[in-house]
Amino acid sequence: AQSVSQHNHHVILSEAASLELGCNYSYGGTVNLFWYVQYPGQHLQLLLKYFSGDPLVKGIKGFEAEFIKSKFSFNLRKPSVQWSDTAEYFCAVGSGGYQKVTFGIGTKLQVIP
Amino acid sequence: KAGVTQTPRYLIKTRGQQVTLSCSPISGHRSVSWYQQTPGQGLQFLFEYFSETQRNKGNFPGRFSGRQFSNSRSEMNVSTLELGDSALYLCASSPPYQETQYFGPGTRLLVL
Repeated sequence: AQSVSQHNHHVILSEAASLELGCNYSYGGTVNLFWYVQYPGQHLQLLLKYFSGDPLVKGIKGFEAEFIKSKFSFNLRKPSVQWSDTAEYFCAVGSGGYQKVTFGIGTKLQVIP
Repeated sequence: KAGVTQTPRYLIKTRGQQVTLSCSPISGHRSVSWYQQTPGQGLQFLFEYFSETQRNKGNFPGRFSGRQFSNSRSEMNVSTLELGDSALYLCASSPPYQETQYFGPGTRLLVL
């Protein structure tokens, strides 16, 4: 069975600070990896995804994530956060077959102007 | 294309009652998944339907059930409501052969 672990449940940063949110998964096979974001009062939406190829993937709003297979990790990064990045971020893993997609518990990011 | 829609958006029920939530996926999407979102628990998977068949099921009691219709619209039902069922219930649909999910706004259920 798949599982996803997000290490930081609540992160507070000042504007312009760099961001890295940790995500580790446990699954021995081929994985599809996702980061979703939920802005206050809005739907969950896809931030970026990794299916195959270049392990460094870029998403919307300057976010990127790196898939490190040996570490079972898919950390989310942004060099300089903005107040508008305040949101809850969810890491998710799928196996590409007919298995369910498993979500992490989420990380609440608060950016202080 | 219109996004995933969920009705109703808000519900208040009392313990012991039952509730039915509805989800209309994006046109062309045949897979519909349901999640329960609560503070501190993240998104807990309830079930997934594909072409009117339940393809996956999470670890929820039998009080939680669902179904999908031939037009891919889906409903979930919770019987004998408990206080702990208070949550945001999210529906997501996926395009054919993809795992990327498109979420609706959710139904916020409060059980008193």
